[in-house]
Amino acid sequence: QITLKESGPALVKPRQTLTLTCTLSGFSMSNNGMRVSWIRQSPGKALEWLARIDWDDDKFYTPALKTRLAVSQDKSKNQVFLTMTNVDPVDTGTYYCARASPYGDLDYWGQGTRVTVSS
Amino acid sequence: DIQMTQSPSSLSASVGDRVTITCRASQTINNYLNWYQQKPGKAPSLLIYTVSTLASGVPSRFIGSGSGTDFTLTINNLQPEDFATYYCQHSFYTPYTFGQGTKLAIK
Repeated sequence: QITLKESGPALVKPRQTLTLTCTLSGFSMSNNGMRVSWIRQSPGKALEWLARIDWDDDKFYTPALKTRLAVSQDKSKNQVFLTMTNVDPVDTGTYYCARASPYGDLDYWGQGTRVTVSS
Repeated sequence: DIQMTQSPSSLSASVGDRVTITCRASQTINNYLNWYQQKPGKAPSLLIYTVSTLASGVPSRFIGSGSGTDFTLTINNLQPEDFATYYCQHSFYTPYTFGQGTKLAIK
């Protein structure tokens, strides 16, 4: 059974760095072709694709946030991480990780983790 | 970036109706077009990938079609569980942008 689970702080102060963890189960980033994307959703708004990391450590970012985002992984723990620097209240929302198929569709999603940026 | 434009942004319909949601890409995306369903407070779930392939467990009343830059999601014989928000997304190359969503409500 494939599952993904996000974890991280629920509250972050402005200008701080946010780090989220996505723990994978049922598939391994050590296997060729595995990819994980991060997506966020501000309250009442549409989905926003943020970044992707592949099994071979290739990384891709949305241009609008590229200078503030970093994705990484720990294959020994089967975890993927998203780091966002210099957070702002507009970064408040629910952050999801999802497995990306070879076609790029997001076939398995985590439940999401809600992050509030506030002083 | 490729921009994805969905229409309408909202619509209301009744159980048993047929509805159509459209999605237009700002450039050709070689059929790398996916649809998701999201219910309130839940994560999105994959409905259709590569234009018309149903994800596992998705009922056949969901139909995806289109090519080039113009795509359609049709839902036949609406069921109570279909009232949700629907998003299109391209996966031609990163960034994989989403449409702004279509909220389907009960009339």
